[in-house]
Amino acid sequence: QSVLTQPPSASGTPGQRVTMSCSGSSSNLGFNTVNWYQQLPGTAPKLLIYSNAQRPSGVPDRFSGSKSGTSASLAISGLQSEDEADYYCAAWDDSLNGWVFGGGTKLTVL
Amino acid sequence: EVQLVESGGGLVQPGRSLRLSCAASGFTFEDKSMHWVRQGPGKGLEWVSGISWNSGSTGYADSVKGRFTISRDNAKNSLYLQMNSLRAEDTALYYCAKENFAKWGQGTLVTVSS
Repeated sequence: QSVLTQPPSASGTPGQRVTMSCSGSSSNLGFNTVNWYQQLPGTAPKLLIYSNAQRPSGVPDRFSGSKSGTSASLAISGLQSEDEADYYCAAWDDSLNGWVFGGGTKLTVL
Repeated sequence: EVQLVESGGGLVQPGRSLRLSCAASGFTFEDKSMHWVRQGPGKGLEWVSGISWNSGSTGYADSVKGRFTISRDNAKNSLYLQMNSLRAEDTALYYCAKENFAKWGQGTLVTVSS
């Protein structure tokens, strides 16, 4: 059972906008920022969003992040087939004194 | 270009030890905190351990505390993970990652089995 809760799956059709959630608590998302990672099949994870809503250089602006209270969301607009991947949220947890990851959401592009 | 290359994985019996290494290049290694993250077969990501830029601060997941030790050698641009008393549940692909998990290596596979 992961400290951060993510729905196990999400899906959408090409061109659609999809969102996925990440739910935590006061000890993690409540006071700390969230990062999002994309893991394409058979590859290492890649940083997609940091500090709730910032995109590293090279990440398309189709990807956006937000956080409110103890929940965060990742949105992907203009969905493309190459977006099919696992998406993970992560944050520092003040109670555990360590980083925690969500269980991941598997995105399927129909 | 940032590169992180893990090594040292393999098949090991329960209760035995293994030492993982991560060779870093393409950035000022001595300025950055570093982490180990693992991914069990078909499972999600689990933070294992982290170390500050000067080794002054280290942290561990409860699942490995007391068994694993993280260290670094800034002169060699290298990160290490000493894993003792290995268990079957430690079987995973182990990644090293740069500060904030901004960059990841390709991982090294550790299999704990008799």
